[in-house]
Amino acid sequence: QLQLQESGPGLVKPSETLSLTCSVSGDSMSNPDYWWAWIRQPPGKGLEWIGSVFYTGNTHYNSSLVGRVAISADTSSNQFSLKLYSVTAADTALYYCARQLGIGRWCFDFWGRGTQVTVSS
Amino acid sequence: QSALSQPPSVSGSPGQSVTISCIGTSSDIGRHDRVSWYQQPPGTAPRLVIYDVTNRPSGVPDRFSGSRSGNTASLTISRLQAEDEADFYCSSYSGNGWLVFGGGTKLTVL
Repeated sequence: QLQLQESGPGLVKPSETLSLTCSVSGDSMSNPDYWWAWIRQPPGKGLEWIGSVFYTGNTHYNSSLVGRVAISADTSSNQFSLKLYSVTAADTALYYCARQLGIGRWCFDFWGRGTQVTVSS
Repeated sequence: QSALSQPPSVSGSPGQSVTISCIGTSSDIGRHDRVSWYQQPPGTAPRLVIYDVTNRPSGVPDRFSGSRSGNTASLTISRLQAEDEADFYCSSYSGNGWLVFGGGTKLTVL
């Protein structure tokens, strides 16, 4: 059974870098049928796609975050990571990692439980 | 890359049907067959209920169905049950490697 688990600091200071890791178990990230994604949800608001990574390292990013975001894959440890630079209070959100169906399907069939990140001094 | 437009809330009584709309543009919903719907009960992660406009993942009841007309996608839930109460989100591929979500619709079962 596939499981995704987000981990990382729950509190980040403004202007610093938010770093999260998603550990994948029950499937190999090197499976070419899937991409791996980060999605966030600000308190009381809707979902926002952050970006996606393929096991080769290829990425797609939300255009509103380009230049501030980096997603990478580590197939040796079956993990993928998110870095969001120069954070502000607007980046406070519940951050989810998810498996994205490949072959251009652009949907997420398995999600982690999410990890809360608060940006505050 | 604007968000898709959904009604803030819909409601229905058990046994009835409800439809949630998702309005996009000719660049996203109107162009690509990559429309999905997610159900998010309070305090839980979203769950995929429809993908590729009309397809249901394994385990999703056939009471959930998706459709599209022009730039508008719709999710219909038939034979409404109390357990269906949740927030629902649509999403669409918008080209150039981008994905956009709708603002979400709160479904209340009366």
